[in-house]
This record gives sequence, structure tokens and C-alpha cells, in this order.
Amino acid sequence: ILNVEQSPQSLHVQEGDSTNFTCSFPSSNFYALHWYRWETAKSPEALFVMTLNGDEKKKGRISATLNTKEGYSYLYIKGSQPEDSATYLCAYVRSWGKLQFGAGTQVVVTP
Amino acid sequence: DGGITQSPKYLFRKEGQNVTLSCEQNLNHDAMYWYRQDPGQGLRLIYYSQIVNDFQKGDIAEGYSVSREKKESFPLTVTSAQKNPTAFYLCASSLQGRVYGYTFGSGTRLTVV
Repeated sequence: ILNVEQSPQSLHVQEGDSTNFTCSFPSSNFYALHWYRWETAKSPEALFVMTLNGDEKKKGRISATLNTKEGYSYLYIKGSQPEDSATYLCAYVRSWGKLQFGAGTQVVVTP
Repeated sequence: DGGITQSPKYLFRKEGQNVTLSCEQNLNHDAMYWYRQDPGQGLRLIYYSQIVNDFQKGDIAEGYSVSREKKESFPLTVTSAQKNPTAFYLCASSLQGRVYGYTFGSGTRLTVV
């Protein structure tokens, strides 16, 4: 089973600060990469599905970039707010129907 | 509103018993999935189904069984053969195609007592 690594495991951010974190995945036979936000006591929510090298996606203050040649994706949060506190999961699509999830980056935004 | 409903939210099982976790969706999604979460690990795929009456094993299918008799429903049975069933179980669904993200249920926490 291929490894999907997320770093850091957790981070604490002051309200208003910007932050970013990484998802590393196998660079061969790329199919797609998903990002999800998982707030405590809620269901994981899809943020982005990225399919092309150089993809940049944006949703409000959250954006993501993709480099399939080197096997990494960055997620950025601009001007963090307490409601951004969640675990952010990335998932590498190994083949149709088979997502390989990373363990997640837990983000805590303090006022 | 469309979504996925998992039940029950909490489930306690005695050793040697089979239990069934329910997953129902009204999103008209063809594909459905079951994942398991253990502390400190990423979600791991148990089973998935692309269409009714068809399903495939994921990475950790041993000790589990599923059925897909209706498009809306994808129940997961945790059998007594599953050696370490205590975990958090998530069901998801999606449209077919690589550009579509998954919609997840709220999960079932299973504890063996």
C-alpha cells in the first residue's frame, strides 16, 4: 500500500495568521488528489479534488496547489479564523474507488 | 436535504457477535464506500461498491461483509472473524469519475465489550 504523508501532524495558529501544510504522495501514475476538512463531531467535508499538475484551487480563504511530478500538494489558509480549526485530510487516488488517506494535519486556531 | 445517514452512532458488541452498521444515502450516488479509522492512522478502505449488486474488497476486508441490494443502501457487517473491531467507521458515497469528491456520513463508533 502506497504511503501518503501529511506534515506537520498538528499546528497551532493565532487568529489572523496564515499557515500552510503539506501532503506528499507517490509521483508515479497520478490519478487525482482530494482534500477534506474534518471538524470535530462532524462529517469530513470535501474541499478540493485536484487532477492536473499545476492545479490551483481556492475556496474562500483556503487554497491548494498540486505538483504531481514531485508528489506534493500544499494547503494554505489565509487569515486563519477559529472556525478553521479542524483536521485536514488529503487522499491520493490510487485507482478508481481506492483513496489512500494521510493521517491528517490538525489545525487549532486560537483567538 | 440530501446526505448520508449512518446508524447507530454508538454500538457495543460482545465478543463473538456479528453486528451490522447501516449506511443510507439519498444523493443518487452510484458509488459507496466503507472506511475504518484507528487512532493516529489515516482512514482505511474496507469495501467499496460502484453499482448495485457489485462490490469490491478494499485494503482491510477480512472479517467484514457488505451487500448492495439497493442504490441507496450499503450496510456493513462486522463479523466475529474481525479480530480487532473496536474503531470508528465512516461510510461515504460519490458520483462516478475522478473529479468528484466524496460525501461522508457522521460515522459509527463500535466498541467491543
